[in-house]
Amino acid sequence: DSGVTQTPKHLITATGQRVTLRCSPRSGDLSVYWYQQSLDQGLQFLIQYYNGEERAKGNILERFSAQQFPDLHSELNLSSLELGDSALYFCASSKFGGSDEQFFGPGTRLTVL
Amino acid sequence: DAKTTQPPSMDCAEGRAANLPCNHSTISGNEYVYWYRQIHSQGPQYIIHGLKNNETNEMASLIITEDRKSSTLILPHATLRDTAVYYCILSNNNAGNMLTFGGGTRLMVKP
Repeated sequence: DSGVTQTPKHLITATGQRVTLRCSPRSGDLSVYWYQQSLDQGLQFLIQYYNGEERAKGNILERFSAQQFPDLHSELNLSSLELGDSALYFCASSKFGGSDEQFFGPGTRLTVL
Repeated sequence: DAKTTQPPSMDCAEGRAANLPCNHSTISGNEYVYWYRQIHSQGPQYIIHGLKNNETNEMASLIITEDRKSSTLILPHATLRDTAVYYCILSNNNAGNMLTFGGGTRLMVKP
């Protein structure tokens, strides 16, 4: 158990819909990361937040957005969902967001029908 | 372009040392070498990281060549639970610490 929690574990929805994935980092960690793992693209970095501020952005679609709240939990919002958005979405956290190790949550499996 | 090159798969006998190689010939001076592993579809698990010195922790050892162009992750006594995909990743602290995962090495530990 990494100490990072993600909800829900599974999510099934239809194309065109909007969903919100939630992540609670380990106690004391200030930085949160979101990654997407699909069969054809592998594990891809989406976005990083540090203490509420966006720190780095990767291959995140414009239909996707994220934020980190004052209590440090984070949400990833996915809208206008397409079949290709079906994937595992992982959240990770680290203490400072620099060279320190990232601890990953168990992931949310999103299925878009 | 992939920044690291790893063999796609390796086998190891249970109880023996597993040596997983990684080539990173274009590594820059401020890039760390990280190793993570993913067991089935679980979240990736941090193993170890280093800059230029060899590192050891309770899970593994990391050997980095003097020119830093390659490294080896050593699991000293592999068990069946070490069967996983192992990722060698380069990352620096510039504007965050995003991890760029490649294909990794699928390690199969056999009894």
